[in-house]
Amino acid sequence: ILNVEQSPQSLHVQEGDSTNFTCSFPSSNFYALHWYRWETAKSPEALFVMTLNGDEKKKGRISATLNTKEGYSYLYIKGSQPEDSATYLCASRNTGTASKLTFGTGTRLQVTL
Amino acid sequence: DAGVIQSPRHEVTEMGQEVTLRCKPISGHDYLFWYRQTMMRGLELLIYFNNNVPIDDSGMPEDRFSAKMPNASFSTLKIQPSEPRDSAVYFCASSRARDYEQYFGPGTRLTVT
Repeated sequence: ILNVEQSPQSLHVQEGDSTNFTCSFPSSNFYALHWYRWETAKSPEALFVMTLNGDEKKKGRISATLNTKEGYSYLYIKGSQPEDSATYLCASRNTGTASKLTFGTGTRLQVTL
Repeated sequence: DAGVIQSPRHEVTEMGQEVTLRCKPISGHDYLFWYRQTMMRGLELLIYFNNNVPIDDSGMPEDRFSAKMPNASFSTLKIQPSEPRDSAVYFCASSRARDYEQYFGPGTRLTVT
């Protein structure tokens, strides 16, 4: 995988549903993986930074896991609420240019009542 | 803290005009990043600075684009001359150090007619 890829591109769930989406990134020369939450008409807001294989991070109902050997990360939302509606971006950094983030195109989540 | 500050929030200009976008990073942050967001390409890194020094400008699309950071609290991104294809949202972000999350400003929506 040369680029950061996210799937699905969009997702529509009902309030209370749990959901998850995937970020795939280059596993060679991996340095860090970031997740951002981006609401419409606002700017991206950092959720997690993960660096170690097997890392799991949690913030409220949102959690993320990291597999650096196979190059993927999952973001989970438990009991989705309408306020979770946003685009969720992941971005990876490699050891060559460790300050430079390469972003995926995001998963757009819409949670309805 | 006020967060990352960008100005103007919206800019409409005619093709051929010079455009200057401004950014004030969060105080104490050593890294500053300029991104461009378009529907076609998503969020792309244009250039980033560490301690006011440009480190990687490989994302700058062409010579019409230039960026400066004369001091730790101010950066500019200039487009001269501007073209319609430069229309996009330009984000500035800063981070405390290389391994930390990036904080994004509200963005400048540029429209070149």
